[in-house]
Amino acid sequence: AQSVAQPEDQVNVAEGNPLTVKCTYSVSGNPYLFWYVQYPNRGLQFLLKYITGDNLVKGSYGFEAEFNKSQTSFHLKKPSALVSDSALYFCALIKAAGNKLTFGGGTRVLVKP
Amino acid sequence: SAVISQKPSRDICQRGTSLTIQCQVDSQVTMMFWYRQQPGQSLTLIATANQGSEATYESGFVIDKFPISRPNLTFSTLTVSNMSPEDSSIYLCSVEQGSETQYFGPGTRLLVL
Repeated sequence: AQSVAQPEDQVNVAEGNPLTVKCTYSVSGNPYLFWYVQYPNRGLQFLLKYITGDNLVKGSYGFEAEFNKSQTSFHLKKPSALVSDSALYFCALIKAAGNKLTFGGGTRVLVKP
Repeated sequence: SAVISQKPSRDICQRGTSLTIQCQVDSQVTMMFWYRQQPGQSLTLIATANQGSEATYESGFVIDKFPISRPNLTFSTLTVSNMSPEDSSIYLCSVEQGSETQYFGPGTRLLVL
């Protein structure tokens, strides 16, 4: 069985400071990993993905994530957080195209001015 | 990425009634998915809908409760039947495009009284 864990329900950070949202996973074989963001009263927006290749992937809105196979982690990062980054962030994985997305529980990010 | 719309965006329904949610995509896609996001929780896949075949339901979801139609490559409907307050959730459709990435519609917010 595959699973995704986001150990922090909420992350608080001051505007301008680095932001990290943690994600670990469990799956047999090589996963495809994703980050999505959900703003209040909005659907999910795709941020970035790791399929293969360079372990550091860059995505929308200045976000990046690092795939670490030995630690089975895929942490989301942003060097300088904005108040507008306050939202709910989901890490997810699939084993192959056409498969269902397995989501983590979500992490609420609050960026304070 | 595909532009995905859902109707209705929100609704308040009485228990025992049914609601049909529409998902429209601006391009042809093979795979469409329906997810449920219960209040304060993560997303759970209800079923996968491929055009020309019966939907495939996840464990815990049955066709009698959540019938799905997929008449063509740009449209799908999900019906929530015989609703109870426990069905109050956000229902999201998604489509897979390019390299395993799923893109989501804005969601339908359902409140059952």
